[in-house]
Amino acid sequence: KQEVTQIPAALSVPEGENLVLNCSFTDSAIYNLQWFRQDPGKGLTSLLLIQSSQREQTSGRLNASLDKSSGRSTLYIAASQPGDSATYLCAVIYNAGNMLTFGGGTRLMVKP
Amino acid sequence: GAGVSQSPSNKVTEKGKDVELRCDPISGHTALYWYRQSLGQGLEFLIYFQGNSAPDKSGLPSDRFSAERTGGSVSTLTIQRTQQEDSAVYLCASSFTGNSYTYGYTFGSGTRLTVV
Repeated sequence: KQEVTQIPAALSVPEGENLVLNCSFTDSAIYNLQWFRQDPGKGLTSLLLIQSSQREQTSGRLNASLDKSSGRSTLYIAASQPGDSATYLCAVIYNAGNMLTFGGGTRLMVKP
Repeated sequence: GAGVSQSPSNKVTEKGKDVELRCDPISGHTALYWYRQSLGQGLEFLIYFQGNSAPDKSGLPSDRFSAERTGGSVSTLTIQRTQQEDSAVYLCASSFTGNSYTYGYTFGSGTRLTVV
């Protein structure tokens, strides 16, 4: 079964800290991996998309890496701010079926 | 339009009534997904449309749920004889799929369905 797992499920850090969110997937045959942010009661906002041929993508204070051989991706957030508080979701499209498979998310709280 | 549009944004219905939820994907996007998210839970896949292919309905929880996509664009998710456990946020996403890879998915803001 093709699964996506996110650790930790919840994380609380003081403002200004650098942090890493982890995502693991069971099958290395992926099309791409996408990181989303979800604020309470809202839809999903795309943060970064990494194609299977890429190793990382950067946007502002965010950096996402992809290691297909180990089945892992990390989302690095630099100099965290209270406005970064949200749930972060990792999603993978496997080669077979094209279905977007989501992890359970990491709920991040950045304290002022 | 510039993004994926869903309507209504909120819907309150009585148990046993039918509801229709609408999704307008980004123009030209060939792939369209419906997901639902119950309170405090993860995203549950419902149905997937890709171009003119037969939809993948493997995630629909019961035969009370159906969806169609007219003209490869607008999609409607219909829930018949609604039950309280159908209460959730229903999210739609679309993407353009190329020959060798898939562009990222763009999600709508969702429809919050409450069955009373």
